[in-house]
Amino acid sequence: DAKTTQPNSMESNEEEPVHLPCNHSTISGTDYIHWYRQLPSQGPEYVIHGLTSNVNNRMASLAIAEDRKSSTLILHRATLRDAAVYYCIRPDSGNTPLVFGKGTRLSVIA
Amino acid sequence: DADVTQTPRNRITKTGKRIMLECSQTKGHDRMYWYRQDPGLGLRLIYYSFDVKDINKGEISDGYSVSRQAQAKFSLSLESAIPNQTALYFCATSDTLAGETGELFFGEGSRLTVL
Repeated sequence: DAKTTQPNSMESNEEEPVHLPCNHSTISGTDYIHWYRQLPSQGPEYVIHGLTSNVNNRMASLAIAEDRKSSTLILHRATLRDAAVYYCIRPDSGNTPLVFGKGTRLSVIA
Repeated sequence: DADVTQTPRNRITKTGKRIMLECSQTKGHDRMYWYRQDPGLGLRLIYYSFDVKDINKGEISDGYSVSRQAQAKFSLSLESAIPNQTALYFCATSDTLAGETGELFFGEGSRLTVL
């Protein structure tokens, strides 16, 4: 049970921002939210993670709702190389491995 | 060299054969994992190990076994392969993050076909 809900697929135009939503309504106060992506024919790769406040890195930004029941991964300018499956993950409970759901397949149109 | 190396990258075998997939890492992480990926189903956890003396079953461990030979090595075995074990297998490692699973580093995957 992945314990997160994401849309199956999304589409974006190249060079436009993309907002990938995720619901995690049963999250506990100490669980981090993790985002990974899987490019075609590759293993998943880390994108970003956060606990309460918004986070930024060179790949993306993570906006976490004040009640922590949802979050949004923001790609500021989508490129063709951002076409991938994006996984939003929260731990099952405490100190446990990350459980991947089906993720959101992002298509980027030139 | 890759931080997480899986061998073999591709393997075709027959039903009933014993298969071992090997994983080695140079990250110095204590935690290692085996995931399986089937088309349209995301990744599912098979086994994981938080240190050399620790082995735990994941959500789909039936038909698989593992061995943690050293901090850097974690192998997955199929004692008697069956066709529905045809899948893409990923090994991963991680450190800890505030006591929880930290960033995962994945290998490039091992594609197994069981005929």
